[in-house]
Formats: sequence, C-alpha cells, structure tokens
Amino acid sequence: GENVEQHPSTLSVQEGDSAVIKCTYSDSASNYFPWYKQELGKGPQLIIDIRSNVGEKKDQRIAVTLNKTAKHFSLHITETQPEDSAVYFCGGTSYDKVIFGPGTSLSVIP
Amino acid sequence: GAVVSQHPSRVICKSGTSVKIECRSLDFQATTMFWYRQFPKKSLMLMATSNEGSKATYEQGVEKDKFLINHASLTLSTLTVTSAHPEDSSFYICSAIGDRSTYEQYFGPGTRLTVT
Repeated sequence: GENVEQHPSTLSVQEGDSAVIKCTYSDSASNYFPWYKQELGKGPQLIIDIRSNVGEKKDQRIAVTLNKTAKHFSLHITETQPEDSAVYFCGGTSYDKVIFGPGTSLSVIP
Repeated sequence: GAVVSQHPSRVICKSGTSVKIECRSLDFQATTMFWYRQFPKKSLMLMATSNEGSKATYEQGVEKDKFLINHASLTLSTLTVTSAHPEDSSFYICSAIGDRSTYEQYFGPGTRLTVT
C-alpha cells in the first residue's frame, strides 16, 4: 500500500517569504496528489491538487510540482501571509483511497 | 460548490451512551463518503469508506460494531459511536466524493466528541 512522508513537520517563515513543503510517496501507481490546509478546529480544505500526467500546477500564490521518477511532490507558497498559518497535509493514492502525510504546521510570522 | 456539512459540531456524552454524527453533501451527490478520526496534532486516520446503499468498508483495527456507518442516500452518511468510552473522545471528520474516479474529496468541518 501507499506510504506518504512529509517534511518538515514544522516550518516558520517571515511574512512575505516563501514556504516549501515536500512529500514522498511509495506507490508508483499513485496518480493523484492533493494538498489540504487545516486550520485549528476545522476540517481540511483542498487548496490544490496535481495528477500524474502533469509536472507543475499553479494557482495564484500556490504551486505544486511533481517528480514521478523520484516519487516526490512539493507545495510552494509565495509571498506568505499570516492567514497562511495552518497545518498542511499532502496526499497520495492507494487503490481508490487518498493516504495522507503526517502534516506540516506552518507559522507565518508578521 | 462542493460543500459538506457535519452535525453536531461538538457533542459531550456520558460513558456508555451512543452518539450519532451526520455528514451531508449540500450541493452535490456523494457516491462515496469517508470517515476519519484525528487525534490532537496528528494526521487524518481513515476509519471507513461508505458507498451509498451498501455496507461500509472498515480499515484494519476499526471495530465495525462500535462505529456504525450508514449511507442511506447520496447526500447523507451517519456515524454512530456505540457504547462510547472516554478513549473514543476525538475529532471525527467526514469527507465526500462526487465522482470517485477523480479522487477529489471535500471535507466537513468536523465533530468534536468528548466522552465523560
């Protein structure tokens, strides 16, 4: 089955700087990689996703890159703002389920 | 679009009682719904997958007689925690998929269960 690892577990950046979170996965058949943002006491919110036939996807300040050969993908947040502070989860797929990484707690310091 | 609601948002119950949590897809039909449990500062632990009109599929280690799941319609799934104990206290979150081939899950806001 799929195993998803995520690094770093915690990340602090100054407001305006960029943040990068990296994930690796084990199942070469995995073909869908979502990123979720979870604020304290709330459910996760899908912020961006990428499929295996695409190498990069961008949505305003958020981008995701995928390297299928190396089996890793990354979330890039540019011009970070305090409201970006949250826990971010990456996911990989196993059969018909999404398997989530352990999460990264991002703090953006004003 | 793609809004999922959960009710209640918080519930406190006494040990030994049962609690029902509802998950609804508000603006789409959910062929599949998932139930997760989340411990403080931890990731999402998948408990079970439920498909409309069929029995839920439980993950290894999850007691199906304790966590009863019903997916009676394309917009509603319920999780009942039976004979709750303090160790069942947790944050329970559901998610829903409209088209399972896309894998795109939309999560509810979660339910905080406290068993005293």
